[in-house]
Amino acid sequence: DQQVKQNSPSLSVQEGRISILNCDYTNSMFDYFLWYKKYPAEGPTFLISISSIKDKNEDGRFTVFLNKSAKHLSLHIVPSQPGDSAVYFCAASANLDDKIIFGKGTRLHILP
Amino acid sequence: DTGVSQDPRHKITKRGQNVTFRCDPISEHNRLYWYRQTLGQGPEFLTYFQNEAQLEKSRLLSDRFSAERPKGSFSTLEIQRTEQGDSAMYLCASSLTDWEPQYFGPGTRLLVL
Repeated sequence: DQQVKQNSPSLSVQEGRISILNCDYTNSMFDYFLWYKKYPAEGPTFLISISSIKDKNEDGRFTVFLNKSAKHLSLHIVPSQPGDSAVYFCAASANLDDKIIFGKGTRLHILP
Repeated sequence: DTGVSQDPRHKITKRGQNVTFRCDPISEHNRLYWYRQTLGQGPEFLTYFQNEAQLEKSRLLSDRFSAERPKGSFSTLEIQRTEQGDSAMYLCASSLTDWEPQYFGPGTRLLVL
C-alpha cells in the first residue's frame, strides 16, 4: 500500500520553462513533506520542505505547494535549468514518527 | 567535508557471506537513519537511532540484519548470510531533530552474486 504516490515516472520540460512535479499522499497523519533530488550513483539531496501548517514554501527557483484537503503537493521549478535533470522524490512523515516515506520518484529531463 | 559519509561505496559479495557497512553522520546530528533503495523505488526505511539508542526497526529488517551505533556517533549495518535479494543501495541519513530534514550520504551499493 503506497502512502506517497508519484504517478508520473518521467517528465520532459524545455529549458527556461516551468517544471511541475506532482505528488499525492493517502495518510492524513502526514504533517511534514519534503522533496529530494537524486543524481545517479549519489544519495538523495534535500531540496525543500513544508509543514502542514503552511500551504506554500519558496526557496529560490523552487516552490512547494501543499493542498491538504486534496492530499496533494507539487514542486515548481522556475526557470528550469539543465542541471535540474535528475530523479525527484516526494517524501512525507507523520508527527511523532521519525521515518520518512518516499514516493517512487519522477525522472525530470530538461531539454535544451 | 561535513556531510554524511558512507563506506564502502560499493561491495560485491557472494551469497552466504557477511557484510558490514559504516556510516558517519553530520557531526552533532543525534539522529541517524538507514534506508534501502532498489531499482525503480524510493528509499525504504530500515531503522533509526537517537544517539546510541535504536528506536525503531522496519519489518524489512530481518533477523539477518543488525545495526549499531555504539557511541552515538558512527553507525554500522551488518547483513549476515547475504542473499541475492539483499542487492540494493543502502543509504544512511542524519538529522538534528525530528523537524529538521534528513541529510543523506552517497550510499553503499551492494551486489550479492
